[in-house]
Amino acid sequence: DTGVSQDPRHKITKRGQNVTFRCDPISEHNRLYWYRQTLGQGPEFLTYFQNEAQLEKSRLLSDRFSAERPKGSFSTLEIQRTEQGDSAMYLCASMGVGTGRYEQYFGPGTRLTVT
Amino acid sequence: AQTVTQSQPEMSVQEAETVTLSCTYDTSENNYYLFWYKQPPSRQMILVIRQEAYKQQNATENRFSVNFQKAAKSFSLKISDSQLGDTAMYFCASGYEKLTFGTGTRLTIIP
Repeated sequence: DTGVSQDPRHKITKRGQNVTFRCDPISEHNRLYWYRQTLGQGPEFLTYFQNEAQLEKSRLLSDRFSAERPKGSFSTLEIQRTEQGDSAMYLCASMGVGTGRYEQYFGPGTRLTVT
Repeated sequence: AQTVTQSQPEMSVQEAETVTLSCTYDTSENNYYLFWYKQPPSRQMILVIRQEAYKQQNATENRFSVNFQKAAKSFSLKISDSQLGDTAMYFCASGYEKLTFGTGTRLTIIP
């Protein structure tokens, strides 16, 4: 049984560049979440999918952010024209709604540094 | 909107002792769950324990137990017989479809 995986684990980019992160959820999980965690804070919700449908986006998710889950399996989070304030850990989590337990399992995260 | 408050930024306890981490929350939801997650240094978030808000019985998972006071909107975590591997950031979270997290408590177990 593999857990949630994220790629890359670390990304350093220059301000203004675009970056894309990938998340592979636990295989039988139909819900996939993205959170952002800055230093010294708890994770903040960004968006989530049920299968391929994006059901909710946080006000934190500006127009420069876009997320997709085209086939209801893996998901990508793209940040366009990165800013220094985008530096954070981006966490992905998945959940199996059919279990009735509503437990989210997290991946290791992608740490983004914008210079 | 939901809010989760963890008022203890840091705690430390001797190995084998018992420690309690505090959490209060506020929500307008009728159905919600409460969670404690553990984030060891440079490692990923791990689910420690879950509580359904509609259940009065407090959840227990081995050395970890909660004290859930729904009227007071309080959800504390008790760790018994603490071990060195319990050293981590602990986050309290509330939610149903999505989670709202507190700012965390950094717990250090002293040998």
